[in-house]
Amino acid sequence: DQQVKQNSPSLSVQEGRISILNCDYTNSMFDYFLWYKKYPAEGPTFLISISSIKDKNEDGRFTVFLNKSAKHLSLHIVPSQPGDSAVYFCAAHGGSNYKLTFGKGTLLTVNP
Amino acid sequence: KAGVTQTPRYLIKTRGQQVTLSCSPISGHRSVSWYQQTPGQGLQFLFEYFSETQRNKGNFPGRFSGRQFSNSRSEMNVSTLELGDSALYLCASSSGGGGGTDTQYFGPGTRLTVL
Repeated sequence: DQQVKQNSPSLSVQEGRISILNCDYTNSMFDYFLWYKKYPAEGPTFLISISSIKDKNEDGRFTVFLNKSAKHLSLHIVPSQPGDSAVYFCAAHGGSNYKLTFGKGTLLTVNP
Repeated sequence: KAGVTQTPRYLIKTRGQQVTLSCSPISGHRSVSWYQQTPGQGLQFLFEYFSETQRNKGNFPGRFSGRQFSNSRSEMNVSTLELGDSALYLCASSSGGGGGTDTQYFGPGTRLTVL
């Protein structure tokens, strides 16, 4: 049972445009959500997070939106840069559960 | 502040052998988690340690074990290696103070190949 889903395996955007990566979850116990960026053969790098008490969190070019009623979150990258090309993972955990549950990832390609 | 370090970075073993991987967390972090990444299954949680105690465990066979030392460094061990254990093993550390907004930071991983 996949509790965190990233339904788009890949996304391609032009440099300077907006990249929108989506994530859905099924477990209503999740209360903290994170986005990680990953290059091949490296560990995931933390990008941005959001607590379930908020609906938006911004950090520079990165904004995460959370829609609790729809159990959906999205990561917006504006403007997109070629260096943003990587696999992006959505992850979640909840309550006293100390484990992160990951989506399968979305490969973002930003074309110059 | 130094990040999470993992050793070795690459490892080649044969079926039936055992392997030990090491992880040093970010200074001051007391929680260490281990994950396995494979192309088919993605990133899957193995176990989490805090103050030398295992607090949470994923759905992996007993061949996968771990421990944490008093300085928060952690090791994981895989015994009787199988071909399917070939994967990138990732360690993550966090303050461990509570599940609420505790962010995990990952190391570079150990690439294990089982022949």
